[in-house]
Amino acid sequence: DTGVSQNPRHKITKRGQNVTFRCDPISEHNRLYWYRQTLGQGPEFLTYFQNEAQLEKSRLLSDRFSAERPKGSFSTLEIQRTEQGDSAMYLCASTDATNEKLFFGSGTQLSVL
Amino acid sequence: QKEVEQDPGPLSVPEGAIVSLNCTYSNSAFQYFMWYRQYSRKGPELLMYTYSSGNKEDGRFTAQVDKSSKYISLFIRDSQPSDSATYLCAMSVDDYKLSFGAGTTVTVRA
Repeated sequence: DTGVSQNPRHKITKRGQNVTFRCDPISEHNRLYWYRQTLGQGPEFLTYFQNEAQLEKSRLLSDRFSAERPKGSFSTLEIQRTEQGDSAMYLCASTDATNEKLFFGSGTQLSVL
Repeated sequence: QKEVEQDPGPLSVPEGAIVSLNCTYSNSAFQYFMWYRQYSRKGPELLMYTYSSGNKEDGRFTAQVDKSSKYISLFIRDSQPSDSATYLCAMSVDDYKLSFGAGTTVTVRA
């Protein structure tokens, strides 16, 4: 059990560019979550997958954001046409449906210049 | 008004002191309550998980939930410098989508 892995750890991009983050959940965890955390705030829910199905999306997830989880394994979060307001820590978490404990990765810190 | 309110601190205590943290919430449908610890540049780590009102103890940590007052607390006994971190309360209606407080930054002075 190597924990939830997120790549890259840091991403610096220019406004208007597209970025993609990857999350590898704990193996056999069928639930996968994306959260966003800005400085001085708690994480905010973005979206949730059970296996490969995206079951819920927050209103925070504008149409510039898209998340996928092909084959119910790793997940990607893409942000198109990045804006400075997208600068944040993007956290991925996973859990087994029978286990209430949510395990977070170390996050991807995005800075949009 | 946010669903979950948490005093951001910062809170500074001497080693060995009791750390007291709390959150209030407005959504009476919340039934799962958690405390997470977050070190700088790391993801949150689950410390305590409670489902109902009452107390739950795990080592030096005690979590309290008072649903009637919509108030939860976390106490850390015999605090250590390694307890210095940001502590986040979190809660949910069902057990998958969490609403977090803003976090309280705690420093334990050696």
